Amino acid sequence: DQQVKQNSPSLSVQEGRISILNCDYTNSMFDYFLWYKKYPAEGPTFLISISSIKDKNEDGRFTVFLNKSAKHLSLHIVPSQPGDSAVYFCAASTASGTYKYIFGTGTRLKVLA
Amino acid sequence: ETGVTQSPTHLIKTRGQQVTLRCSSQSGHNTVSWYQQALGQGPQFIFQYYREEENGRGNFPPRFSGLQFPNYSSELNVNALELDDSALYLCASSPNPATYEQYFGPGTRLTVT
Repeated sequence: DQQVKQNSPSLSVQEGRISILNCDYTNSMFDYFLWYKKYPAEGPTFLISISSIKDKNEDGRFTVFLNKSAKHLSLHIVPSQPGDSAVYFCAASTASGTYKYIFGTGTRLKVLA
Repeated sequence: ETGVTQSPTHLIKTRGQQVTLRCSSQSGHNTVSWYQQALGQGPQFIFQYYREEENGRGNFPPRFSGLQFPNYSSELNVNALELDDSALYLCASSPNPATYEQYFGPGTRLTVT
């Protein structure tokens, strides 16, 4: 049972354009969502997060949007840079019980110079 | 401030053997979580340790066990290795168990032949 889904395994975007990565979830108990970026041979690095009481959070070039009614979140990167090329994981968590993450399967972003 | 470190980086074991993976948490962090990331998948939560006690467990069999030491470092032990145990094992540390903040180490790549 995949509670967090990233349906696009890969995405290619031209440098300077917008990258939009999508994530869907099924568990309405999730109250915190995060995006992690992962380079080969490294652990996931925290990128940006959003609480379920918000619908948008912005940090520089990165913005996360949350649509609770649709159980959908997205990460926007504007403008995209070649250094953004990595695998992006969406993760969800809940304050009920152990604060563990449920990860999606990841989207590989390639930003073309 | 030292980040999360894991050892060894790579490991090759034979089916049926036992393996121990190690993790040193970030300075000041008392909570450690372990994740398994199979190829092409997102990380999956194995268990979490807080103050030397297991503080939550994912859907993994009992042959996956752990320890946390007084200095908050941790071990993941896997007995009776199976081919499907081949994966990247990630350790994440947190300042306490009631927070969404988790900082990941670079992982240990385990190959079971």
